[in-house]
Amino acid sequence: ETGVTQTPRHLVMGMTNKKSLKCEQHLGHNAMYWYKQSAKKPLELMFVYSLEERVENNSVPSRFSPECPNSSHLFLHLHTLQPEDSALYLCASSPGGGAYLYGYTFGSGTRLTVV
Amino acid sequence: QQQVKQSPQSLIVQKGGISIINCAYENTAFDYFPWYQQFPGKGPALLIAIRPDVSEKKEGRFTISFNKSAKQFSLHIMDSQPGDSATYFCAATLPSGSARQLTFGSGTQLTVLP
Repeated sequence: ETGVTQTPRHLVMGMTNKKSLKCEQHLGHNAMYWYKQSAKKPLELMFVYSLEERVENNSVPSRFSPECPNSSHLFLHLHTLQPEDSALYLCASSPGGGAYLYGYTFGSGTRLTVV
Repeated sequence: QQQVKQSPQSLIVQKGGISIINCAYENTAFDYFPWYQQFPGKGPALLIAIRPDVSEKKEGRFTISFNKSAKQFSLHIMDSQPGDSATYFCAATLPSGSARQLTFGSGTQLTVLP
């Protein structure tokens, strides 16, 4: 375990379902991120939270809704997804300020399949 | 422009050989260039990183070479081992307060043959 835990590891959902992905870190980091990883494409930044406030939303469709209730937890709520949303969803955290040199810590991801 | 271009897409190297992965960037405001290693079923993990005021950084068998004028940087894996077989991503980030956003290259799938 890296210190960032994602659940579930695998998720299959229909296009009309509502589900949530969960991310938890106990590293004392104050920034958390959602990334989408699709085959043969760069990791795409979806959302950034710093000190529980959303600081970035990279034109992500509204069917993806993030939530950061505290500095240790991050959720991604999913509803009415499309098959092209099937991907590996990665959560990451990072320390603030000059400590960024220690880099992001990623979770192992949730493999999402939309049917 | 925040794009980071990475090549090659895949690389096959014999055990003991040198693996070289290249990246190029456009935004001169980037100030931190990490490399991540990802094994199947795992998230990316920080491997080594460099700042643009340094031309080379070495950690064990892994070396980053940085050419600021050409806006290029590369990862060299010396004495490549089968255990190095993974996907490697270069990345770059801008100075931006408490939450630094990484821009990733498209990845290189490295296979080291025994």
